[in-house]
Amino acid sequence: GENVEQHPSTLSVQEGDSAVIKCTYSDSASNYFPWYKQELGKRPQLIIDIRSNVGEKKDQRIAVTLNKTAKHFSLHITETQPEDSAVYFCAASYGGGGNKLTFGTGTQLKVEL
Amino acid sequence: DTEVTQTPKHLVMGMTNKKSLKCEQHMGHRAMYWYKQKAKKPPELMFVYSYEKLSINESVPSRFSPECPNSSLLNLHLHALQPEDSALYLCASSRTWTSGSTDTQYFGPGTRLTVL
Repeated sequence: GENVEQHPSTLSVQEGDSAVIKCTYSDSASNYFPWYKQELGKRPQLIIDIRSNVGEKKDQRIAVTLNKTAKHFSLHITETQPEDSAVYFCAASYGGGGNKLTFGTGTQLKVEL
Repeated sequence: DTEVTQTPKHLVMGMTNKKSLKCEQHMGHRAMYWYKQKAKKPPELMFVYSYEKLSINESVPSRFSPECPNSSLLNLHLHALQPEDSALYLCASSRTWTSGSTDTQYFGPGTRLTVL
C-alpha cells in the first residue's frame, strides 16, 4: 500500500518568514495530493491540492510543488502569520482504489510574533 | 451548502452504553467516510460508503456499526466500546469514490467521544 512520510514534525518560524513542509510517497500510481490544515479542536480543512498532471499550484501565500520522478511534494507558505499556526497534514491518493487518502504524520507549525 | 455537519459535538458514554453519531451533507456527494483521529495523529480511515453501499471496512471492530440511510446521511452506531476508543470521530464526503478519482474529501467538525 501507499506510504507517506512528512517532515519536519515541528516547525517554528518568525512572523513574516516562509515555511516549507515536505512529503514523500511510495506508490508511483498516486495521482492526487491534498494538504489539510487542522487547528486545535477543529476539522481538517483543505488548503490546497495538486493533481499529478500539474507540477506547481499557487493560491495567494500558499503553494504546492510536485516532483513525480522523485515522488515528493512540498507545501510552501510565504509571509507567515500567527493564524497560520496549526497542524498540517499532507496526503496522497492512489487513484486505482477509489480516492483513499494516506496521510502523513503531520507538522505542527508555530508562527511566533 | 458546502459543509459537512456532525452531531453531537461531544459524547461521553460508558462501556455498556449504545449511542449513535450522525453526519449529514447536502452537497450531492455520493461518497461518505468515517475516520477516527487520536490526539496529534492523522485521521485513520474506518469506513467508506459509495452510493449508500459499504465499499470499504478497514478491519474495524464490530462494536462500530456504520449505516447509510440515504445519500445525505451517515450514521455510526456504537456499542460496548472500550476506553481506547476515545477519540475524535470525523465524517467526510466527496463527490465520488471511483477508480482514478481525485475528488476532494471535505471533513465535518467531528464528534469528540470519551468512553469511561
